Formats: sequence, structure tokens, C-alpha cells
Amino acid sequence: SQQGEEDPQALSIQEGENATMNCSYKTSINNLQWYRQNSGRGLVHLILIRSNEREKHSGRLRVTLDTSKKSSSLLITASRAADTASYFCATDANSNYQLIWGAGTKLIIKP
Amino acid sequence: SQTIHQWPATLVQPVGSPLSLECTVEGTSNPNLYWYRQAAGRGLQLLFYSVGIGQISSEVPQNLSASRPQDRQFILSSKKLLLSDSGFYLCAWSEVGGSEQYFGPGTRLTVT
Repeated sequence: SQQGEEDPQALSIQEGENATMNCSYKTSINNLQWYRQNSGRGLVHLILIRSNEREKHSGRLRVTLDTSKKSSSLLITASRAADTASYFCATDANSNYQLIWGAGTKLIIKP
Repeated sequence: SQTIHQWPATLVQPVGSPLSLECTVEGTSNPNLYWYRQAAGRGLQLLFYSVGIGQISSEVPQNLSASRPQDRQFILSSKKLLLSDSGFYLCAWSEVGGSEQYFGPGTRLTVT
């Protein structure tokens, strides 16, 4: 079943601009994770934020979590062409080791 | 460090033929293992997961099966492929008690 919904489905910005993607989910969670997938490749884990955390940073990535609204956002600052990829959120709702995945946001960075 | 291998990278098979995709993990013991399918431009659909040798849980009734003959080996199989089995198949692992998943490079399967 699909719990996460990313918004927007697609985003095209100029290199150097900031990119913001959102994820909404339906049930209570232990943590929420963001992954990146380059075209035709496997997914790469970017960052995990726990349910008791509100904000987390990793390099140019900033993730926020609002458990009252059941939503998260991923901000990529100073975007680069290499950031072009699809970004997925996944939630751990403590259900038999499974993650529940969203459909992804396709990000295109124009040089 | 841990690595995960999947092969083949691409595969074209006729309808009704058998399938065997293999995934192996190095550098860790007793990992949780997962098979996903991804349709073009879509999210991930969990097909099978395994918490140990011979322990397979299926999420979606379908034409596929999975086996874990060794601790770090996970195999996805089919006796007779359907056109609807086409897609991008991803293997992943996670540590026991861990939540983050680590993915292989994927196999692009086209059933003709």
C-alpha cells in the first residue's frame, strides 16, 4: 500500500535555486526517510528523521517533519545539475520491517 | 563496507519463459532482504521480504516467487513470465533492527 504522497510530482528549476519537495502520510510513524534515484539506477538513502525530531540537516539538505500535519519537506539548497533525479519519501510505521513509499518527485535542474 | 549486487542488469524474455534474478549482499550478516518492482515513473511496490534463511513473506499475490537459500542471497523467480511482469526490479537490504534500506543497481526486465 502507498502511504506517502509527494508534491509536486515534477519540479524544474534553474541551477543555483533552492528546491522544495513535500511528502504527506496517513498513519503514525517511527521515522520518515528520503531517498534519491537517478534515472535507471537504484535508490540512495539521503536522510532519516525520527518522529520526535522536527528538523534535520545534512550538507545542502534540510528536512522538516510535522507530525501533527503528517507531512515532511525536503529542501535542497543551491541546486546543481547533479541533483537531477527522482526523490522519494518513505515512512517506517513499525510494520514488519517494511517501508511505505510515495510515488516520488521528479526534479530537473536546468543549467 | 557493505555492497549489494544484482544481476543481470537488463533482461529481455519471451512470455511464458522462466525467470531468475539474483541478489547478493557482502559485508554484513543476517540482513533483512527485499525485492521491489518499480513501474516506469512510479514508486516502489514491495514484492517480498525476508528476515532470515528460508523465511519469505509475500506482499502481493502474483506470478513471482522468492527464495533465500543462503544468508546473503535472495532470488526472485517465475515459472512462466507474463507481459505484466515487465518492470524495474530492485533488491535492497537493511540491518536487523535498522530502518534504512540500501539498494542494488536494479534489473530492467522486458517481457515480449
